[in-house]
Amino acid sequence: DSGVTQTPKHLITATGQRVTLRCSPRSGDLSVYWYQQSLDQGLQFLIHYYNGEERAKGNILERFSAQQFPDLHSELNLSSLELGDSALYFCASSPTILIDRGEKLFFGSGTQLSVL
Amino acid sequence: AQKITQTQPGMFVQEKEAVTLDCTYDTSDPSYGLFWYKQPSSGEMIFLIYQGSYDQQNATEGRYSLNFQKARKSANLVISASQLGDSAMYFCAMREGRSFGNEKLTFGTGTRLTIIP
Repeated sequence: DSGVTQTPKHLITATGQRVTLRCSPRSGDLSVYWYQQSLDQGLQFLIHYYNGEERAKGNILERFSAQQFPDLHSELNLSSLELGDSALYFCASSPTILIDRGEKLFFGSGTQLSVL
Repeated sequence: AQKITQTQPGMFVQEKEAVTLDCTYDTSDPSYGLFWYKQPSSGEMIFLIYQGSYDQQNATEGRYSLNFQKARKSANLVISASQLGDSAMYFCAMREGRSFGNEKLTFGTGTRLTIIP
């Protein structure tokens, strides 16, 4: 158990809908990262929050947004869903910003999103 | 250009044999870190081993070792005495430098390893 909690584990929804994925980082970790894993794109970095503030954006669509709350949990909001958004969405956390030697990402078990 | 390249989409290895999973990387930053993660069929991502760009010795963690060849920009994972439980997808990843916005891991496409009894 990595200590990173993601809910829900599975989500089935229809095109055009909006969903919210939730992530609780490991106790004490200030950074939260979101990744999308699909068969054709592999593991793609979406966005990184550190202590409530956005640090970096990757290949995140404008239909997607995220935030990190004062208690450090994070939510990823996906709207106007399309079939191609079906993927496994991972949240990962780290103590700071991967600056220390060997500091690594701890991954949650992911949310499997199916858009029908 | 791909920052992390894993050229072996799949590998089949006999149980108890050693296996090497290839990873090459591309960066101009002198300070970087290389990681390997394992993803079993259950889906979770499990950290295996880390190598820093300034490390003089190859990293080892139990049955895992990293064959780090800096000049060739390769960081191959070696699993000794493979076990059936090693069957999984393996990802190589890199963290480049320390500049703002680079505080993330970039992953390769992965290698699916299957251990044959």
